This record gives sequence, structure tokens and C-alpha cells, in this order.
Amino acid sequence: EAQVTQNPRYLITVTGKKLTVTCSQNMNHEYMSWYRQDPGLGLRQIYYSMNVEVTDKGDVPEGYKVSRKEKRNFPLILESPSPNQTSLYFCASSLRGKLTGELFFGEGSRLTVL
Amino acid sequence: GNSVTQMEGPVTLSEEAFLTINCTYTATGYPSLFWYVQYPGEGLQLLLKATKADDKGSNKGFEATYRKETTSFHLEKGSVQVSDSAVYFCALSGDDKIIFGKGTRLHILP
Repeated sequence: EAQVTQNPRYLITVTGKKLTVTCSQNMNHEYMSWYRQDPGLGLRQIYYSMNVEVTDKGDVPEGYKVSRKEKRNFPLILESPSPNQTSLYFCASSLRGKLTGELFFGEGSRLTVL
Repeated sequence: GNSVTQMEGPVTLSEEAFLTINCTYTATGYPSLFWYVQYPGEGLQLLLKATKADDKGSNKGFEATYRKETTSFHLEKGSVQVSDSAVYFCALSGDDKIIFGKGTRLHILP
């Protein structure tokens, strides 16, 4: 089954404790992206990757890191989480890059930073 | 720059009512337009799309027509069901990035 898998789905952590949210897709998609969803703000893009070893900042990259060492994986790293990073995070992928708009989304990871 | 504006919710309707969720856009060039739906506890999924002016996207009884003259892509459904309760996002894909509207929450009452 074609899917985007995120882990963990739920996480409660404390300020400053490094964490990684993993994202994996099994569709051989070139394009992958991370979004955060907050009430009243909709979806905001954090980082995206057009292909292996190619990553770019989205609208709200501060406090986040990403890497794309393999085509299928695109982990989101919070080196020193803060309470304002409490949010619902989505990973998404697309076959032919950002221009098509046809994104496949994971089920989301709800992160709480105390 | 490109932007998407959609009506604020929540929108509450009775089952079998007619639905319209407004979406307008600002873009350079010729973007593709999309509606995504997010059911409770799930990620977004593509509902329908249109890639050029006057195209009509349709799926699951929902329709939207790409209107270049009014820069709009309103979502419509003739008879909604309780199972349509979700958050709906309008989006555009242009020259540089994919942009989402803020989402409209829809509640359908039985």
C-alpha cells in the first residue's frame, strides 16, 4: 500500500531535549516536505526537499533541521525544542516535485513541548 | 506573491443541504488549483484538482471550477452527508511553491 509513515504519532517532551520525527514514503517520490498545522494559521511549510541531498527552507524553518540522505526518508529534527514548537506536524511527498501540488500526507505527529 | 484566501469556518449545515466553500487566489502565471480534505485524526488527502482555466474538478460528489476571470475555485456539493464533516483546504501550485489556505471546518448535522 502506498503510504507516508510518520513516527511517533504522539510525543510529549520537555524544553531542550532533542527529538527526531521520522518520515518514510514507499512511492519512490522525489519531493518531500514538512508542515506544521496550528489553529487559525493553517498549514505552514517548514522545510522541503526536491531530491536526495537537496533541501530548502520553507516559511517557518527556525528551530528545525532536516536531512535527505535517502530518497524514502526525510526526518525532522528539533535540536532544542521550545514550547512554541508544540504543534501538529505533517510529512508529505510528491512524485514530480513541488509544482504538481498532488501531495500525499502522513497521518500527522502531535508534539507537545513542556 | 501567490496567496489563497478561503472562507472562515466553522460552517454548519444540515444533512442534504447544499454546500459552497469559497476560495479565491492571487497568483502570477497559471497555477494549478486543488482542494484537500482532512478527516478527524487523519492527514490531508487530495479531493479534486484543476490545472487550467475553465477546468472542473470533481470527486465524491464535490465539484470546483477554475475561474480565471474571478480568480476563484469554490467548492460545491449538492447534498452533504454527515460523513463529509472535515476540514477543507484550498491550495495552489505555482511557479515556486505549494500554498494552502487556512482551512474551513465543516460540520454536518444529522
